Parts: sequence; C-alpha cells; structure tokens
Amino acid sequence: QSVLTQPPSASATPGQRVTISCSGSSSNIGPNTVNWYQHLPETAPKLLIFTNNQRPSGVPDRFSGSKSGTSASLAISGLQSDDEADYYCSTWDDTLSAYVFGTGTKVTVL
Amino acid sequence: QVQLQESGPGLVKPSQTLSLTCTVSGGSISGSSYYWTWIRQPVGKGLEWIGRVYMSGTTKYNPSLKSRVTISVDTSKSQFSLNLTSVTAADTAVYYCARDRVPVVRGDYYGMDVWGQGTTVTVSS
Repeated sequence: QSVLTQPPSASATPGQRVTISCSGSSSNIGPNTVNWYQHLPETAPKLLIFTNNQRPSGVPDRFSGSKSGTSASLAISGLQSDDEADYYCSTWDDTLSAYVFGTGTKVTVL
Repeated sequence: QVQLQESGPGLVKPSQTLSLTCTVSGGSISGSSYYWTWIRQPVGKGLEWIGRVYMSGTTKYNPSLKSRVTISVDTSKSQFSLNLTSVTAADTAVYYCARDRVPVVRGDYYGMDVWGQGTTVTVSS
C-alpha cells in the first residue's frame, strides 16, 4: 500500500486542463522534492517533472508541477489525446528509507 | 546517450530465484552521479521501487522486499543485477531497470531519467 495517495482517475476534453493531486506526509513529500512520471501502455515510464516543478528537456510546457507542504500536484493544460496515460508521483520517504510511488492516476481524454 | 536493457528468464518457478541483469550502454556505470535502480509493476497495479545500487556496491532496498532482494553491480561489464529469492505468483510483474541521479542537496530528488524497456517475468509452475 502506497504512502502517496492519488485519485484513481481524471478526465477532461481536448484543450482543457486537468490537475492530479498527490498527498503524502512529513516523512516523504514534506522534506523532499517530488517527481512525476507518465506511463503509457507497453512502454517504460517517462520522467515528466523533477524536483517539484522542473521539466526534462523535451517535455512540453503544458506539463507543470507544484508542491505545497505535504502535497504536490501535476497540471496538464491544453490536453491532447496523446496525454492519455497513467501518471505517478514519487519521492523519497525518510521513515521507510525507500523511494515511494503514488497510487497512480489514469488520465482519460474525453 | 545512455541506454539500459534488461535481460533474463521470462518464466520462473515458484520458490525459485528470479535473476535479471541490466546492461548500461552509451555511458559509464561507474560515474559518481547515479544510483542504478530496479522497479517493477505487477499486472493491474502501480509502480513499486525494489531497490538501488551505487557504483561502490552500496545498496538500499524496499523494506517490504528486503529479506529476499539482492542488487549488485559489475562495473567491468557495465551491468547491474537483481536477485529475488523465494518467488511467488505475487512477484509476476514487468521489471524495469533505471538510472536515478544522486541528490546533491539533501532532499533534492531528481527522479529516474533513463529507463530500460522492461521485461515481463511470470512466476508459474
């Protein structure tokens, strides 16, 4: 059972904005930065956001991340059909001394 | 450009040991900036961090798997490996290897920026 909680699903029509939340605690998100991954079927996960709000080279600026206290969020603006995927937040947990992933959110483009 | 490739048996019998290797190409496994990591995704479930190894051989494991996991590195072959003992059907999953940057500042985690394509391992008799 993950220590990072995400909504199981999120959806919006093309062009709209969708936001995914990631709820943690003072042992994980609180003291550490958060990363986000996009996971398309039959492919390897892709790093989408690192250190809360930085995008790796090649990731469109439609994707943005933020963190406040023990929660983080990922926003996708100008939603496209290619954005249909599972999204995972992640960070280090100081108590577990382990890297932890969120429960995952499936984004559907209506 | 660094690339990772998993290899190993796709079928393992219950109670036996699952062994996978990840080969690193296009870059050095001996660099001080990275951890080399294993992650898995059971069918219909989310991602699970298994553990990591540093070039020195220092390891860190998921507490839930710690008693059964060993991750090692062979810098001469640019490979790192995963051994998971006493497997059951619950260990059936897609296994990924990945590169994870070492934090420079405590608390700054940069994420896993390079991943292998993944390999499916089924535990069944």
